[in-house]
Amino acid sequence: QVQLVQSGAEVIKPGASVKVACKASGYTFTSYAMHWVRQAPGQRLEWMAWVNSANGNRKYSQKFQGRVTLTGDASASTAYMQLSSLRSEDTAVYYCARDRDGKAMDVWGQGTTVIVSS
Amino acid sequence: DVQMTQSPSSLSASVGDTINISCQASQDISNHLNWYQLKTGKVPKLLISDASILETGVPSRFSGSGSGTDFLLTINSLQPEDIGTYYCQQYAFLPLTFGPGTKADMK
Repeated sequence: QVQLVQSGAEVIKPGASVKVACKASGYTFTSYAMHWVRQAPGQRLEWMAWVNSANGNRKYSQKFQGRVTLTGDASASTAYMQLSSLRSEDTAVYYCARDRDGKAMDVWGQGTTVIVSS
Repeated sequence: DVQMTQSPSSLSASVGDTINISCQASQDISNHLNWYQLKTGKVPKLLISDASILETGVPSRFSGSGSGTDFLLTINSLQPEDIGTYYCQQYAFLPLTFGPGTKADMK
């Protein structure tokens, strides 16, 4: 079945970076773009960025531009999101979500908890 | 950015009740609206796309309506497995934005 499986929880010191992996299965990885969304404690879902898995085109929320890097390994059907210069406000659950036709996020990963703490 | 609001922020209902969750956009987004369900320990789930199109496998007790700036998610005959938080999301403009969520639980 179609699923996205994300890497495990991370505890990261302020100022460092984190890289979250999202492995896709059950579909052709390069046929769908991928979104990255996060949810901080007590906050709403927040869209971060989108990547076209076929050609690498990216779109970013202005809030994260310059701090987020989206990459992918098509041979491993895996998308990556790296967030740098982490601060306590970046403590959140990070999700990858498959894009359907530029309209909806139809398949989601299980989420990766990132805790920024010294 | 398009600001999304939802009401109520939380609700408590009984099995069999009909509940309505309202979502409002700060500007006209046509029908470019989705609804998602988040449940503790579960993967987020797309329920409705394009404001009113039910996803395959989603029970027919869920329905969506609206266009422009005002939207509604209705759950007819609420079931225990419907406990969770519901979010609307617009895709008319970047950045994509979500509502603050409506937490539904059982009386």
